[in-house]
Amino acid sequence: DQQVKQNSPSLSVQEGRISILNCDYTNSMFDYFLWYKKYPAEGPTFLISISSIKDKNEDGRFTVFLNKSAKHLSLHIVPSQPGDSAVYFCAAGGKGGTSYGKLTFGQGTILTVHP
Amino acid sequence: KAGVTQTPRYLIKTRGQQVTLSCSPISGHRSVSWYQQTPGQGLQFLFEYFSETQRNKGNFPGRFSGRQFSNSRSEMNVSTLELGDSALYLCASSLGPTSSETQYFGPGTRLLVL
Repeated sequence: DQQVKQNSPSLSVQEGRISILNCDYTNSMFDYFLWYKKYPAEGPTFLISISSIKDKNEDGRFTVFLNKSAKHLSLHIVPSQPGDSAVYFCAAGGKGGTSYGKLTFGQGTILTVHP
Repeated sequence: KAGVTQTPRYLIKTRGQQVTLSCSPISGHRSVSWYQQTPGQGLQFLFEYFSETQRNKGNFPGRFSGRQFSNSRSEMNVSTLELGDSALYLCASSLGPTSSETQYFGPGTRLLVL
């Protein structure tokens, strides 16, 4: 079963506007969430994370929102830049035991920012 | 600080052969995780090592194995290669020892099995 889902395979945005990428999860044992950006044939690059005890975390142009009751998180990029064009992955991790070192990833969303 | 490094970057093997991939974590990081990325299955967790001990393992057959050395460097081995093992293999490191830590990824090793 897919415990982390990114239902939008792609998103197209104009430069300067806001990009909103969404992610849903089903496992209530997840207690921290991360967003990664990935270019083809490269490893994912960490962008921002959020703990389950928070509902918002900001870092520069990137903000992640977590709605635990809805099991939903989103990544906002403001303003979007052409260099943000990449595949964005949502990932989730749990506490201890079978969660050590294990992130569960969504399928990714391709973001294209047009000049 | 240097990032996570993986060698080799590209590899071509034939069915039935075995392969060993190497990963050097960020200095000071003691946890190393391995992932397989394929177009059909996405990014899937293989296993994690901390202080030379495997703490967690994903749902992969026993042909996939790994180890970690005292300097935290890690290797993964795939024996009796199958065509379906063609993938991008990614290594990630984190500080350890807790489970809720940011993982930083290397560039990956692209394996092609013919």
